[in-house]
Amino acid sequence: QVQLVESGGGVVQPGRSLRLSCAASGFTFSSYAMHWVRQAPGKGLEWVAVISFDGSDKYYADSVKGRFIISRDNSENTLYLQMKSLRHEDTAVYYCARESWGSDAVDIWGQGTLVTVSS
Amino acid sequence: DIQMTQSPSSLSASVGDRVTITCRASQGIRNDLGWYQQKPGNAPKRLIYAASSLQSGVPSRFSGSGYGTEFTLTISSLQPEDFATYYCLHYNGYPWTFGQGTKVEIK
Repeated sequence: QVQLVESGGGVVQPGRSLRLSCAASGFTFSSYAMHWVRQAPGKGLEWVAVISFDGSDKYYADSVKGRFIISRDNSENTLYLQMKSLRHEDTAVYYCARESWGSDAVDIWGQGTLVTVSS
Repeated sequence: DIQMTQSPSSLSASVGDRVTITCRASQGIRNDLGWYQQKPGNAPKRLIYAASSLQSGVPSRFSGSGYGTEFTLTISSLQPEDFATYYCLHYNGYPWTFGQGTKVEIK
């Protein structure tokens, strides 16, 4: 079945770095654009970044631009989010999500991985 | 950037009630609008895409409408499993933006 599984979350100090991974299965990963969306504790959803199916195009939310890098390895069916200079306000559950065929937003979500930025 | 204003932020309703949630875009987004349901501890689930297209497997009591700047999600007869938080999402160019969410609670 179609599945996305995130990993790499944890507790990290402010200013440090962390890399999240999202393993995809059950579909042709290399054919789909992929997104990261986050949700701070008790708050709403925030779109973070997108990468095109082949990795040639990337866009970011202003809140993470210059600090986060989205990437993918189509040979490994894996999406990444490299997070640098982490701030307290980056504390959130991070979801990876597949953009639906026809580019109608995202249709498949992972279960999320929690990142806590704390000293 | 396009802002999405969702209302109400919360509502109380009874099983069987008709429920309407609204999202307003700060500029026209055609029909590039989706609706998501999220239950505590779970990832969001897509209900509606392209403003009015029902996601496969989603009950027909959910419907969406609108174009341009005004959009509506309607639950025709609220069921116990529908108590959750609902979000709209515009995908008309980057950055995408979610509405603030509507928490539907039991009256």
